[in-house]
Formats: sequence, structure tokens, C-alpha cells
Amino acid sequence: GAGVSQSPRYKVAKRGQDVALRCDPISGHVSLFWYQQALGQGPEFLTYFQNEAQLDKSGLPSDRFFAERPEGSVSTLKIQRTQQEDSAVYLCASSLTSRVGGRAKNIQYFGAGTRLSVL
Amino acid sequence: GESVGLHLPTLSVQEGDNSIINCAYSNSASDYFIWYKQESGKGPQFIIDIRSNMDKRQGQRVTVLLNKTVKHLSLQIAATQPGDSAVYFCADWGGADGLTFGKGTHLIIQP
Repeated sequence: GAGVSQSPRYKVAKRGQDVALRCDPISGHVSLFWYQQALGQGPEFLTYFQNEAQLDKSGLPSDRFFAERPEGSVSTLKIQRTQQEDSAVYLCASSLTSRVGGRAKNIQYFGAGTRLSVL
Repeated sequence: GESVGLHLPTLSVQEGDNSIINCAYSNSASDYFIWYKQESGKGPQFIIDIRSNMDKRQGQRVTVLLNKTVKHLSLQIAATQPGDSAVYFCADWGGADGLTFGKGTHLIIQP
């Protein structure tokens, strides 16, 4: 079956522009995660959705970052007034079930990511 | 702060040999660990996971060992193949909803 799909694969933005990154999770997956991966580093958690509810946004670096999943399926990560330090790969992951024992502890399946370059 | 990290940034092995990738964690509350493989231009790919009530778990050509006493995790890959070349990350669930990843080990296969 289809995996997690992200678009676009590459995005070049001028500093100050707004960008929107899309994630199509695996069909039926309840949980959806966004991560930011800087060059040569491991992914860092940004935010978590259970269906349409954003249950954790503790990793979003500033109020310029906004994520939504209005119908509990496709999600969009929006970055307003992009800065050069926003340049990174943005990864989306989904998992089948929701929180167990208070935490979303299940295998996460990742998309290929969107590489954002801010000039 | 507490974090998950790896001992070596690069590991070079001969094709056919076994590879061992190590990981140290500091969060004593961590109770679930995952190893991911990431090839260039791709997202992390799940390899194997282990919960803290286990010491060892085996998959196809891979074994994960967990030593809770010294907070150490390792990934063993048997009979390493060229297709195993990638960056390997350990990650843990340390209290938040998202995974905490280490910086990764780049595994290089020598012919």
C-alpha cells in the first residue's frame, strides 16, 4: 500500500515569504507527527495530531509555525515570514493508533520529507 | 538536558562482516526505543524496536540489545551488505509525544 506522501519534495523561498508543506499520511492512521531535520542532525519533534486534534505542539520553534489537520487526514505545516534558519528537511510521520498509557507510543512511518531552502 | 546520543559518527565495515552501532541514552524514564535507517534523500525507515521490559530482540539480520543498567542500546547487523549503507538513528520515547532522535551514525560498507 501507499506510504506517507509529502509535497513538494523541494521548496525554495525568499526570506519573508510564507510556505505551506503538505502531508498525506497512511490511510487509516490516527496519529500524525511533524519533525524538522537540520543537515547532519537527527529529526526533531515539532507537533502531534490525533485525528484532527493537535495534542502537542511543544516542539514548534516559534509562532511563525502553524500546523493543521482539519479532517483528520491530510495535514499542512505552514511557516510564515520564513527565515534562513528555517532551512531544513521537514518530515511527516504517521502511526496507526493513538496514545497508549498517556503517550503516542507506536511505530512511526515517515515520508521522504520536504527540503526547504530559504534564501 | 536529557538526550539520546550515539558514540561514533561514522562506522566503516567490510562487506560480509557484522556491524555494531551503539547508542547511549540519559533519560531514565525512557521505556521504548526504536532504530531507524535513513538513506540519502529519504525519510527514516523503521528497522526494529524494543521495550524496556526486554533485553534483546531479533529481526531479520538485525538484533537490538538493551542494557538498562548503563543506559546503552546497540544495533547489530549480521553479514553487512552494500544496501546497508545509510545513517542509523536510535530514538526514544522520553515523555513527550514525539520521538527523541540522536545525531546518527553513518555506516559505510567497504567492498
